[in-house]
Amino acid sequence: GAGVSQSPSNKVTEKGKDVELRCDPISGHTALYWYRQSLGQGLEFLIYFQGNSAPDKSGLPSDRFSAERTGGSVSTLTIQRTQQEDSAVYLCASSLGGLGNTIYFGEGSWLTVV
Amino acid sequence: GQQLNQSPQSMFIQEGEDVSMNCTSSSIFNTWLWYKQEPGEGPVLLIALYKAGELTSNGRLTAQFGITRKDSFLNISASIPSDVGIYFCAGPPGAGGTSYGKLTFGQGTILTVHP
Repeated sequence: GAGVSQSPSNKVTEKGKDVELRCDPISGHTALYWYRQSLGQGLEFLIYFQGNSAPDKSGLPSDRFSAERTGGSVSTLTIQRTQQEDSAVYLCASSLGGLGNTIYFGEGSWLTVV
Repeated sequence: GQQLNQSPQSMFIQEGEDVSMNCTSSSIFNTWLWYKQEPGEGPVLLIALYKAGELTSNGRLTAQFGITRKDSFLNISASIPSDVGIYFCAGPPGAGGTSYGKLTFGQGTILTVHP
């Protein structure tokens, strides 16, 4: 597709279960980002992948959160032992990388932990 | 960490009115970005500013990079119903490089336009 694709668009899970969120960036984009948006809030940086460099994981809120990017393309954000405070929209974005290149966001995956 | 404060938090205006919102920081940003988010969508970049004092327009939108590098303004002229959404300011902490991917976002200004 032409844009950043995320799945699932909506996910309801029980507290304590693990979830995986998938992101398919724009073809050719070397940089991939995950952000979290809680209800009525701005976006909170989680993790950033740039090419083959080690990812910047400084925004991950706890060790229950992890992300992988396989083959420099698709990324998976995994949340283990989900808690109710993990409920949010998880937004993936991609860009060509580097200063001045526009960051394009996907529509997000809405996670609800009950 | 660095925080961006947006004001106002929300605005209710009549179609045709002009809108002004701003974003301030306690520390210097070298790039200011303005995004718009519509319901069920991800944010979309409206305007990017890279130089202190820069004034940039995109249609009815005009944004300025404050001379102190600690603030930015977004103006929308002659508002229309499709301007409805949440407007976010954002910027990368630091001078760029790998930190460019790590944007700090303001909490957003919710704009409602009455026809």
